[in-house]
Amino acid sequence: DGGITQSPKYLFRKEGQNVTLSCEQNLNHDAMYWYRQDPGQGLRLIYYSQIVNDFQKGDIAEGYSVSREKKESFPLTVTSAQKNPTAFYLCASSIQQGNQPQHFGDGTRLSIL
Amino acid sequence: GESVGLHLPTLSVQEGDNSIINCAYSNSASDYFIWYKQESGKGPQFIIDIRSNMDKRQGQRVTVLLNKTVKHLSLQIAATQPGDSAVYFCAEVTDSWGKLQFGAGTQVVVTP
Repeated sequence: DGGITQSPKYLFRKEGQNVTLSCEQNLNHDAMYWYRQDPGQGLRLIYYSQIVNDFQKGDIAEGYSVSREKKESFPLTVTSAQKNPTAFYLCASSIQQGNQPQHFGDGTRLSIL
Repeated sequence: GESVGLHLPTLSVQEGDNSIINCAYSNSASDYFIWYKQESGKGPQFIIDIRSNMDKRQGQRVTVLLNKTVKHLSLQIAATQPGDSAVYFCAEVTDSWGKLQFGAGTQVVVTP
């Protein structure tokens, strides 16, 4: 089935540790996005990528890093610099940027040990 | 700053009734709007979208209405079912690259 796969579903981070969240899509979409969702709130944009080997900061990029070496993959690293990493992380993709719907994966819930 | 917001944080609806979820937006330049449904522990699911050159669009059991004069967006769900219980988000595209600005969401609870 075509779609967006995020892994793992649950992730725990120790203090001072970097962790990487995986996002893979087989929809042949050019654009990919990472969002953070806190309880009872909407989604906030962390990073986005329009095309392979290109990405841009969103509204809350501090403490996060990404790469886009392959069209189908857009991993997000939550670094030790992110002091409040506990949240639900959502990856999305769209055919291209612009007025196109974004389609989401089922998220990774990150917690601090 | 520009923002998207929802009037009601929680909407309780009896099964079989119609639901109306409202959303106010403040950026008059926004030209594309999307409604998403999010069930607990899952990612948002696309429901329906509408462009600013339209004022109404219908899908299966859902209708989105756009009133640009008062910058208001609504989602109507016909014959609400228990499976419609979820959080509903409206989102607007505010710039040329398609950045989505999300509202905080409305929790819809369907009662028997």
